[in-house]
Amino acid sequence: GQNIDQPTEMTATEGAIVQINCTYQTSGFNGLFWYQQHAGEAPTFLSYNVLDGLEEKGRFSSFLSRSKGYSYLLLKELQMKDSASYLCAVSPANAGKSTFGDGTTLTVKP
Amino acid sequence: DADVTQTPRNRITKTGKRIMLECSQTKGHDRMYWYRQDPGLGLRLIYYSFDVKDINKGEISDGYSVSRQAQAKFSLSLESAIPNQTALYFCATSDLSSSSQYFGPGTRLTVL
Repeated sequence: GQNIDQPTEMTATEGAIVQINCTYQTSGFNGLFWYQQHAGEAPTFLSYNVLDGLEEKGRFSSFLSRSKGYSYLLLKELQMKDSASYLCAVSPANAGKSTFGDGTTLTVKP
Repeated sequence: DADVTQTPRNRITKTGKRIMLECSQTKGHDRMYWYRQDPGLGLRLIYYSFDVKDINKGEISDGYSVSRQAQAKFSLSLESAIPNQTALYFCATSDLSSSSQYFGPGTRLTVL
């Protein structure tokens, strides 16, 4: 099975940088996803890592270390609209489905 | 128009009632999923389907059933609703080449 851990809550200041960590234990691995979910809304896809290293996409970057079972989502130049829950999800090998962590609620303050 | 739609968006029902939540998609994806989300928690998989003839149980399928009527439609039923099934329910789709999922807007279900 999969066990996914991420911090429950984080607070950061507008314009700053924040790193949201995710650790996982899984039997087989096919990729790691990050989703953003604003309160009361549907999750939306942010990033996908299948190989070790950093994937950059605008203000958001995601890092993966498969040997350590570790990923982080890096948000730069924080904006108030970045206040949301960030969900880490792991897809085991050949499963075609993902297991989600409980999410990290990020609050961006002025 | 939205790619993944869910009906109803909100539903209040009573214990013991049968409820059906419907999901439709225009993305042409083969894979469809049903999740529930409780306050402060992530998404838990109820059922998933890789094509019309394929139905699989997720981690919390007890008390639920599904029907894949067509590639574009995947329905979730609560045969006899109970209060602890009060939650936000999401339908999602994905294609074969990319496992990222596209979510519907959600159905907020309250069982009294």
